[in-house]
Amino acid sequence: AQSVTQLGSHVSVSEGALVLLRCNYSSSVPPYLFWYVQYPNQGLQLLLKYTTGATLVKGINGFEAEFKKSETSFHLTKPSAHMSDAAEYFCASDTGRRALTFGSGTRLQVQP
Amino acid sequence: GAGVSQSPSNKVTEKGKDVELRCDPISGHTALYWYRQSLGQGLEFLIYFQGNSAPDKSGLPSDRFSAERTGGSVSTLTIQRTQQEDSAVYLCASSPGEYGDTQYFGPGTRLTVL
Repeated sequence: AQSVTQLGSHVSVSEGALVLLRCNYSSSVPPYLFWYVQYPNQGLQLLLKYTTGATLVKGINGFEAEFKKSETSFHLTKPSAHMSDAAEYFCASDTGRRALTFGSGTRLQVQP
Repeated sequence: GAGVSQSPSNKVTEKGKDVELRCDPISGHTALYWYRQSLGQGLEFLIYFQGNSAPDKSGLPSDRFSAERTGGSVSTLTIQRTQQEDSAVYLCASSPGEYGDTQYFGPGTRLTVL
């Protein structure tokens, strides 16, 4: 069975600082991996995804993530945090079942 | 174009009542998913429809939950004899249907069972 682990339910950074949100996956086959963002009282919006090809994936709003098979990780980064980045972030995987398996989420707080 | 829409946005019901939640997917998307988001359980898969194939119901938590998709488009999630533990946000998503396709989410229906 596949699973997704997000380390840190809450992360706080200062505006302009590096954002690093951690995601590790566990599955018997290489999964497709996704990062979604959820703003208050809204649905989930895709930030980026890894399917095949280049392991460094660039997404919207300056975010990127690198698929590292040897570390079973797909950490999300952004060089410089903005106040508007405050939201909850979810990592998710799909190993062919089509239904996504989500991590427990990380709430990002950005301090002025 | 129009995204995924869900109705109602909020639903308050009494324990034991039945509720129906509606999802309108993006036009042309053959795949439709229901997920549940709750404080204790996070985001959980409930059910998946793909074209005319039999749905994947493996995530439904009990036989009080059912869903249908009419004409390959609109879907209704029905919860019978609601319990307080059914209180959650129910999210619908749709995608073109291929492995790895992006799932586009609606805003959700917040269900409160008193």
